[in-house]
Amino acid sequence: ETGVTQTPRHLVMGMTNKKSLKCEQHLGHNAMYWYKQSAKKPLELMFVYSLEERVENNSVPSRFSPECPNSSHLFLHLHTLQPEDSALYLCASSQFGHPNTEAFFGQGTRLTVV
Amino acid sequence: QKEVEQNSGPLSVPEGAIASLNCTYSDRGSQSFFWYRQYSGKSPELIMSIYSNGDKEDGRFTAQLNKASQYVSLLIRDSQPSDSATYLCAAPYGNKLVFGAGTILRVKS
Repeated sequence: ETGVTQTPRHLVMGMTNKKSLKCEQHLGHNAMYWYKQSAKKPLELMFVYSLEERVENNSVPSRFSPECPNSSHLFLHLHTLQPEDSALYLCASSQFGHPNTEAFFGQGTRLTVV
Repeated sequence: QKEVEQNSGPLSVPEGAIASLNCTYSDRGSQSFFWYRQYSGKSPELIMSIYSNGDKEDGRFTAQLNKASQYVSLLIRDSQPSDSATYLCAAPYGNKLVFGAGTILRVKS
């Protein structure tokens, strides 16, 4: 099992659809993140969960809804998205509170909204 | 001041040269710093971490940390075209890991 796994790798959805992105980490970490990266732009932090509690929500539109049922799984529920939401969505995990707090990333989900 | 700042570049170096990438941070309490490499369309990959003042070497990569100046750098010796990528500096702030905007490196053969 790779450290952080994201599914699906690619997703095309209409503006009226509802879909979910899934992330699973096998590293025993206690913090998980969602990042958005639009074309040729820096990483944008969307949500942070630490010990399964949401600790960061960076003014993300309500059409993005995160869910963290346990420390190994993270979801991003999508509904009524806009074309400008097309981007690479990256999940990451780290060990919050430990000196070695580097984050490990999944392969990302390439989302296209049509 | 942003929490972690980097020059966006692009930084162009000839093949075989030393590439020097720089990063400054605002929180004097930060204890650990990380360098990631990101190829276009791919996810960031951790390449170096540094926790103490001074240099840390790993193969062709050397990370340098100066806590007094709040400055961390990454040197890439004998640069190769395959090193062409975006390099991201990151530091933990409270309960999150903050990334700089990244520096684009282009190694010309």
